[in-house]
Order: sequence, then C-alpha cells, then structure tokens
Amino acid sequence: GAVVSQHPSRVICKSGTSVKIECRSLDFQATTMFWYRQFPKKSLMLMATSNEGSKATYEQGVEKDKFLINHASLTLSTLTVTSAHPEDSSFYICSARGTHRETQYFGPGTRLLVL
Amino acid sequence: AQKVTQAQTEISVVEKEDVTLDCVYETRDTTYYLFWYKQPPSGELVFLIRRNSFDEQNEISGRYSWNFQKSTSSFNFTITASQVVDSAVYFCALSGNRDDKIIFGKGTRLHILP
Repeated sequence: GAVVSQHPSRVICKSGTSVKIECRSLDFQATTMFWYRQFPKKSLMLMATSNEGSKATYEQGVEKDKFLINHASLTLSTLTVTSAHPEDSSFYICSARGTHRETQYFGPGTRLLVL
Repeated sequence: AQKVTQAQTEISVVEKEDVTLDCVYETRDTTYYLFWYKQPPSGELVFLIRRNSFDEQNEISGRYSWNFQKSTSSFNFTITASQVVDSAVYFCALSGNRDDKIIFGKGTRLHILP
C-alpha cells in the first residue's frame, strides 16, 4: 500500500515556541491531505483538510491562526503549531489521498509534548 | 450529520475466545464508505478494511470478519480465536461521498488476556 511519513515522530518543546510537523506521501501524489488530533485515550478528531495549492479548510472550533497548514506540493503538507501551550500536547496524525480519490493513507503520527 | 457509535468502550476476553466489536453509523449519504482501523500502543493506525455502501457482502480475512447490515446501519467486526497481539484500540469510521472526510467512532479498547 501507499506510504505516508511524518516527521518528527516525537517532539518536546517549551511553551511559547512554534513547532512544525511534516507529512509526506512517499510513493504517490497526494492532492488532499488531512490533519487529525488525538488526545490520550480519545478518538481522532479531524482538524483540517488541505488541497495542494489552496488554503486549508478548518473544522469548526479549530483555530486556523494557531494551527497553520501549508500544502505547497503534491507530496508534502506541514502543520505548524504556533506559540504552543501545554494544552496543545497531543498526538497529531496526517493522512493523504491521491488524485483518483481512493482511500486515505495515514502517517505514523507525531507526539507533541509542550512543557 | 454523520456519526459513528462504538458503544463498547473497553472489552476484555481470554485468548482464543471470539470477540465482536460493534459499530453503528448514521449518514444521509446514499454512497458512503465504512472502515475499521487498529491502533496498537505505538499509535500508528493500521488499516483493516474499507467497505462501499453498495457492497453488503460479509467479508472474511483470516481470523477477521465483518458483518455489514444496512438495515440496522451496523458494521460489526469479529475476531475469531483471539490472540494477545490483537490487543489494541479499534476504530470504526465513516466517510461520505461528498467531502471524503473520515469520521471516527470513539474506539473500543480490546484486551486479550493470556
């Protein structure tokens, strides 16, 4: 199956700093990428949908100025958590879908811990 | 609105027992897709199955089987002869035809006891 990678897999940062998480489709072109957030022992909640070359569409309640999403190429989307706070600590998972609207492929996730 | 309900929060069974994880969904779309994912402690989602709403045939893959009942809006997952390695959180999920967003249920934490 298709491969999606995320980098870093784990990050610890100080409160107030910004953190960038990368999501890459390694063997296919991803016209659409999705970003999810998962709190401990909770379900995955969709944060935003990004289409290559256009602005991301954020789900209700997600601050777009706090969670900056860039999908500049068909193989890379980035999520930047700006001015991170401890409550932003979570597991962030991306998924990618190819040009033929087939199923989404999920990345391995990034654990963010904000101290 | 789309919704996925996994009523079983946590299940524990002894190894080699069969176990069924329930999933009930709600959607107004006529075409939709149902999924099951496994999430082991590492956190990575493992894709198990994707089912189109027009395909109501049950599916079997090794020890795994799925029962799709459109009449009751259910898509249940059964593990036969469970093994300790099956211990994980299992998510049922739904995506509609229009925007392809995947909506996840709250998950069922499955413990297989040796």
